[in-house]
Amino acid sequence: DAGITQSPRHKVTETGTPVTLRCHQTENHRYMYWYRQDPGHGLRLIHYSYGVKDTDKGEVSDGYSVSRSKTEDFLLTLESATSSQTSVYFCAVTDGSSMNTEAFFGQGTRLTVV
Amino acid sequence: KQEVTQIPAALSVPEGENLVLNCSFTDSAIYNLQWFRQDPGKGLTSLLLIQSSQREQTSGRLNASLDKSSGRSTLYIAASQPGDSATYLCAVIRTGNQFYFGTGTSLTVIP
Repeated sequence: DAGITQSPRHKVTETGTPVTLRCHQTENHRYMYWYRQDPGHGLRLIHYSYGVKDTDKGEVSDGYSVSRSKTEDFLLTLESATSSQTSVYFCAVTDGSSMNTEAFFGQGTRLTVV
Repeated sequence: KQEVTQIPAALSVPEGENLVLNCSFTDSAIYNLQWFRQDPGKGLTSLLLIQSSQREQTSGRLNASLDKSSGRSTLYIAASQPGDSATYLCAVIRTGNQFYFGTGTSLTVIP
């Protein structure tokens, strides 16, 4: 599993509340990603990071923010949760070199917004 | 924008059969291609990574091929087993470590 831990694994929250999901890695991968997976849409990129304090938006970034203050941790925050953000969220990592782009995924966080 | 398609969306085969899963992509300017499997309620597990300079990779009963010019990759599974039942996803990797995922093929191997 490339030493990737996501927390929490399951969460139920109310509409309008802020929520933070955490991704922790132990193998010093440079790139970290947050995806959401929904039926009919597959995996969609929310945000990614290419180093400490270096982040960029993905295709579905509205309503989400991220932070990476340490190599090993990448946080995803839903600023004010909405029912459309009910989903399974996956963290992924890669080394970032053009030759070795193999991605490894965490086990996912199932988030329900009620 | 890179589009990645996997056909069929679902496949059911008897145990022991050899099978091929397909992945097609619209833009041949890719670095690499990676195949994953996903079990229900689980994360993605990396199966094979094919670098753009390679034409195929093998791991056990799995063989993946890549034809950049035609925008196609195939995952061949030999002698299928019930434990192979899962969803299989392909992802193409472009510059900046950008991943583009297909929506997957759900495989059921019937004992």
